[in-house]
Amino acid sequence: DSGVTQTPKHLITATGQRVTLRCSPRSGDLSVYWYQQSLDQGLQFLIQYYNGEERAKGNILERFSAQQFPDLHSELNLSSLELGDSALYFCASSESAHSGYEQYFGPGTRLTVT
Amino acid sequence: DQQVKQNSPSLSVQEGRISILNCDYTNSMFDYFLWYKKYPAEGPTFLISISSIKDKNEDGRFTVFLNKSAKHLSLHIVPSQPGDSAVYFCAAHDSTSGTYKYIFGTGTRLKVLA
Repeated sequence: DSGVTQTPKHLITATGQRVTLRCSPRSGDLSVYWYQQSLDQGLQFLIQYYNGEERAKGNILERFSAQQFPDLHSELNLSSLELGDSALYFCASSESAHSGYEQYFGPGTRLTVT
Repeated sequence: DQQVKQNSPSLSVQEGRISILNCDYTNSMFDYFLWYKKYPAEGPTFLISISSIKDKNEDGRFTVFLNKSAKHLSLHIVPSQPGDSAVYFCAAHDSTSGTYKYIFGTGTRLKVLA
């Protein structure tokens, strides 16, 4: 158990809909990262927050947005969903925003868009 | 354009022998490299890391080697055990241009045969 929790575990929704994925980091970790893993693909970095502020942006679509709240939990909002958005979405946390700090991953949320 | 490449999608090794997983990268400014292991239906878990100023780091059965001139790193597992069967991801930390993000390879599926 990494100490990172993600809800829900599974989500099935239709094209055009909007969903929110939630992540609670490990106790004491200030940095939260979101990743997308499509079938047979590596982990694609989406976005990072550190202590409530956006820190780095990766390949995140404009239809997607995220935020980190004062209690440090984070939400990833996916809107106008397309079939290609079906993937595993992982959240990870680390104690710092900087290099050398290993990330602790949650179990992921499997999103299926039909 | 993939900045971190794991060119072998899969690898099979006999129990007790050495497993060598390879990773190539393109950006000489990456300052930290990490290896993660992932079992099905779980998030990745951290294995071992190495700073760009070192060329070797060892932790038990796991050793990571970094060849900066070749922009290549490898993970050695000795001796390999059936429980090591998983997907292994290498990741590079990118702090250039004021960003702080991790770039992952597509993974290598290791199967250790008993």
